[in-house]
Amino acid sequence: DGGITQSPKYLFRKEGQNVTLSCEQNLNHDAMYWYRQDPGQGLRLIYYSQIVNDFQKGDIAEGYSVSREKKESFPLTVTSAQKNPTAFYLCASSWKSSYNSPLHFGNGTRLTVT
Amino acid sequence: AQKITQTQPGMFVQEKEAVTLDCTYDTSDQSYGLFWYKQPSSGEMIFLIYQGSYDEQNATEGRYSLNFQKARKSANLVISASQLGDSAMYFCAMRRIQGAQKLVFGQGTRLTINP
Repeated sequence: DGGITQSPKYLFRKEGQNVTLSCEQNLNHDAMYWYRQDPGQGLRLIYYSQIVNDFQKGDIAEGYSVSREKKESFPLTVTSAQKNPTAFYLCASSWKSSYNSPLHFGNGTRLTVT
Repeated sequence: AQKITQTQPGMFVQEKEAVTLDCTYDTSDQSYGLFWYKQPSSGEMIFLIYQGSYDEQNATEGRYSLNFQKARKSANLVISASQLGDSAMYFCAMRRIQGAQKLVFGQGTRLTINP
C-alpha cells in the first residue's frame, strides 16, 4: 500500500543533541512538507520541498534543517539551536501541480527533549 | 498572507445530531482551495473534504458537507448524524493555487460526541 512512513513514533533526546526524524513516501509525490504541532494547537509549517535538491523555509524554520536528495525521502534534523523542540512532528506529501489534491500525512513522530 | 480562524476551541454534541464547525479565512487571492482534516487522538491527519474557490456547488463527501460562502470568506464543515467516532480535532486549511502550494492551518476545534 502507498503511504508515508515516519519513524520513530516516539523519540527522546537530551538537550543539546541534534536529532533526525525520518520521512519516506512511496506515493510518487513531488512535494513534501514538515509541520510541527504543539499541544492543542494547529500545524505550523517548518520546511517544504517541491522538487529534489530544492527546499524552502516555512514559517518556523529556525533551529531546523532538511535535505531532499531523493524524491522519496525528506528527513528533518532538529538542531540544538531549536529553543523548544519538544513537539509532535508531521510529515506530508502531495502532487506538486495539483492545487486541489490534499496533503497525505504520516502518523507523526513525538519528540521529547529533556 | 493567508490566515485561517476557527473560533470554536471545543464543541460538545449529542450523538446523531448534526454539527457545524466554523472556519473563516483571510486572503487577497482570488483562487484558492479549502480543506478540512480530522485528527483523532492517535495523531494521524485524515483528509475529509475539499472546496475550490471557483466551485459553484458546495462540496459533499458522505456525511460531510462544506457550507462555502465566498463573499463572507467562510467555509464551515457540517457533519450530519454525528457518531461517537467523530470525536476528534478538526482543522480547516487553505492553499493558494498560484505559487508555493503549502497548506496553512487553523488552530482547530475539538469535537466531542456524547452518547
